[in-house]
Amino acid sequence: NAGVTQTPKFRVLKTGQSMTLLCAQDMNHEYMYWYRQDPGMGLRLIHYSVGEGTTAKGEVPDGYNVSRLKKQNFLLGLESAAPSQTSVYFCASSRTSGSFQETQYFGPGTRLLVL
Amino acid sequence: GQQVMQIPQYQHVQEGEDFTTYCNSSTTLSNIQWYKQRPGGHPVFLIQLVKSGEVKKQKRLTFQFGEAKKNSSLHITATQTTDVGTYFCAGYTGTASKLTFGTGTRLQVTL
Repeated sequence: NAGVTQTPKFRVLKTGQSMTLLCAQDMNHEYMYWYRQDPGMGLRLIHYSVGEGTTAKGEVPDGYNVSRLKKQNFLLGLESAAPSQTSVYFCASSRTSGSFQETQYFGPGTRLLVL
Repeated sequence: GQQVMQIPQYQHVQEGEDFTTYCNSSTTLSNIQWYKQRPGGHPVFLIQLVKSGEVKKQKRLTFQFGEAKKNSSLHITATQTTDVGTYFCAGYTGTASKLTFGTGTRLQVTL
């Protein structure tokens, strides 16, 4: 099993450009998450999904959109990149929580630089 | 909204010294998880605590969950250079499907 994979690993964008980050998991997990990590800020949740075809906003959703058309994939889109979106982006997945929350498995991250 | 703070933000120790990081939530947690992130890496799950007052050990690491389920700690005995990284606590509240991560404690260990 590859676990959670992310593409691309690194990207440089100019202000105003758009891009899509792809997350894929092969563990048949229901739940998927997108976080951003900035120095001294820990991990902040951008959007998440509790199943195919569903999405929900996290703590810092502005400027991002997501889609979960297939269970194994979770896409994060930046329509018009801004320098404030320079960050490391992590995708994570977990099994259905039910009444007991499960551990999250993280991808290797995507480093994004917006000039 | 829910906030999870960790102290200290950074600690530098000599190899062999002990290390403790503390995690405090503004709300009661149903459970708490700890993750470790090596420099340049991604967070990796270490352990989950569920019960009030629970204590779990993993070799040199001891994890505690407070009686009120609003705080937790991670203690490392006799640190080694392999312990270098950032340690995050993360908590769920009620039936929420999203984790709230703490701000993290970065540990540096030197010989």
